Amino acid sequence: DSGVTQTPKHLITATGQRVTLRCSPRSGDLSVYWYQQSLDQGLQFLIQYYNGEERAKGNILERFSAQQFPDLHSELNLSSLELGDSALYFCASSAGRLPDGYTFGSGTRLTVV
Amino acid sequence: AQSVTQPDIHITVSEGASLELRCNYSYGATPYLFWYVQSPGQGLQLLLKYFSGDTLVQGIKGFEAEFKRSQSSFNLRKPSVHWSDAAEYFCAVVPPFGNEKLTFGTGTRLTIIP
Repeated sequence: DSGVTQTPKHLITATGQRVTLRCSPRSGDLSVYWYQQSLDQGLQFLIQYYNGEERAKGNILERFSAQQFPDLHSELNLSSLELGDSALYFCASSAGRLPDGYTFGSGTRLTVV
Repeated sequence: AQSVTQPDIHITVSEGASLELRCNYSYGATPYLFWYVQSPGQGLQLLLKYFSGDTLVQGIKGFEAEFKRSQSSFNLRKPSVHWSDAAEYFCAVVPPFGNEKLTFGTGTRLTIIP
């Protein structure tokens, strides 16, 4: 157990639908990062939150959004889903502003049918 | 362009043999360097990291990596691999300036043969 909890582990949904992925960071970590892993794109950074505020954006589609709540858990919302959104979505957390060992959750496997 | 490269997509080694996985980066200054391992169906586990100091870094599971500034490389090594080392290995960097997002290489899949 890495200390980073992601739910659900698996999600199957239809095109056009909306889903929410949840991440609870390791205790004491203020930063949360979301990554998408697919066969054709590899591991792509989506977005980072630090202590409730957005700090960096990567290759995140406009159909996707995220937020970090006061208790530091984060949610990634994916809407108007397309087949190409099928991927493994990882959340990672780190202690603060300086790079440290980012701790990854076990991921949510999203399948869009 | 700033990037991290893993030249080998797939490597096969015999159990007990030595291993070296290559990683090169292209940044104006030395980035923070990491190696992660991903077993099938699992998340990413940190093997080791380099920020500064001693260029030979020891990690978990018997892995080590050597930072070579002149070659812009951070290669991962293990003297003797075990069947359980079969996995996907990712080199990753965080630039020394700017935001702290981790940028991954494309990964190297390691297969171990008996």
